[in-house]
Amino acid sequence: AQKITQTQPGMFVQEKEAVTLDCTYDTSDPSYGLFWYKQPSSGEMIFLIYQGSYDQQNATEGRYSLNFQKARKSANLVISASQLGDSAMYFCAMREGNDYKLSFGAGTTVTVRA
Amino acid sequence: DTEVTQTPKHLVMGMTNKKSLKCEQHMGHRAMYWYKQKAKKPPELMFVYSYEKLSINESVPSRFSPECPNSSLLNLHLHALQPEDSALYLCASSQAGVGSPLHFGNGTRLTVT
Repeated sequence: AQKITQTQPGMFVQEKEAVTLDCTYDTSDPSYGLFWYKQPSSGEMIFLIYQGSYDQQNATEGRYSLNFQKARKSANLVISASQLGDSAMYFCAMREGNDYKLSFGAGTTVTVRA
Repeated sequence: DTEVTQTPKHLVMGMTNKKSLKCEQHMGHRAMYWYKQKAKKPPELMFVYSYEKLSINESVPSRFSPECPNSSLLNLHLHALQPEDSALYLCASSQAGVGSPLHFGNGTRLTVT
């Protein structure tokens, strides 16, 4: 069964505007971690932001923030003030309990327009 | 600059060749990973080493053979590959614990001819 679901294959956003990338997850483990990664066309996977299942507040890192709705099992990424360099593929991922495995969603391609 | 170094960046090999991919990290991480990624798809886990022992093998064909000589190094030995094995191979490392992110290298783009 799919553990991480990203329903938006691709999105366009105007420079300087905000964009929200959707992510829903499925787990029965009470302890889990949610991660967002950025992958430019060069191929490197860049860690952006982390949200733990027990965290009371939404995570923020610079222009990135995570809208964590635990009851709905969603962890949407918000990128504010988009820049041309934000054009990339974005992956939502999850680790559960003591598992080393990081499971990825299908990804969302973001294209920022000038 | 990435803290996980992968070599080579690009590799072209024939189906009868033997080659190796190398990965190195000096962050003191005790878990190291190999992922395979096809174009426009998410990375797929292949292997995980924890404290230099193989802890996860995601039913990877035996033509891929991982090796972890020490806590900083991870190799992936390739032999008798098929054209469908052409992909981006990503190495990563992390601390243990659900809150520890994986840190990825820049990957090796492998083409099997």
